[in-house]
Amino acid sequence: QVQLQESGPGLVKPSGTLSLTCVVTGGPISDPNWWSWVRQPPGKGLEWIGEIYHSGNTNYSPSLKSRVTLSVDTSKNHFSLNMNSVTAADTAVYYCVKVNTRGYYDFWGQGTLVTVSS
Amino acid sequence: EIVLTQSPGTLSLSPGEGATLSCRASQSVRGNYLAWYQQKPGQAPRLLFYAASSRAPGIPDRFSGGGSGTDFTLTINRLEPEDFAVYYCHMYGDSPYTFGQGTKLEMK
Repeated sequence: QVQLQESGPGLVKPSGTLSLTCVVTGGPISDPNWWSWVRQPPGKGLEWIGEIYHSGNTNYSPSLKSRVTLSVDTSKNHFSLNMNSVTAADTAVYYCVKVNTRGYYDFWGQGTLVTVSS
Repeated sequence: EIVLTQSPGTLSLSPGEGATLSCRASQSVRGNYLAWYQQKPGQAPRLLFYAASSRAPGIPDRFSGGGSGTDFTLTINRLEPEDFAVYYCHMYGDSPYTFGQGTKLEMK
């Protein structure tokens, strides 16, 4: 069974860059699936950030596209999220997710809280 | 972008009762590519249904999903204490993918 684990700094300064990595175990990241990031501000709902295929093809949320870059490293079986120019509004739990071949999200990481504060 | 509106915002019920949660889309969801997730405090969301009515592995049959087009429902019969959580619908047919704002199912 696929498992995902997010890692990265829990605190980022305003105007800085948020960088997270998701390690995938239990299966190759090169399987024919997309891999996605979803975030959840404290006490609020879920927001889709973007997705990446093992080939490097990406698809981003229009509202975040200008600040987000996703990448994948098949040799390390992980994919990454970079978000620049962060503000307090980017404070959230960030989840990495496996996208089933039919499009729904069948496996989620446990999530990691990133706080934007000086 | 398809906007998903869930109702009610909060539902207060007792164990043993039945619950009906609604998710309405601002336009028709292609292929009925609509999923439901359950989220408990401090946990990641858990897939319940995909394609509106296909139950995910391990989900009890007291849960059922239905609907098509713009109107979808999640029904829970005979609520168990572990069912009290927040439920989200999710449209995954066309990018940008969107989530509803959630329905909190709380114990009365």
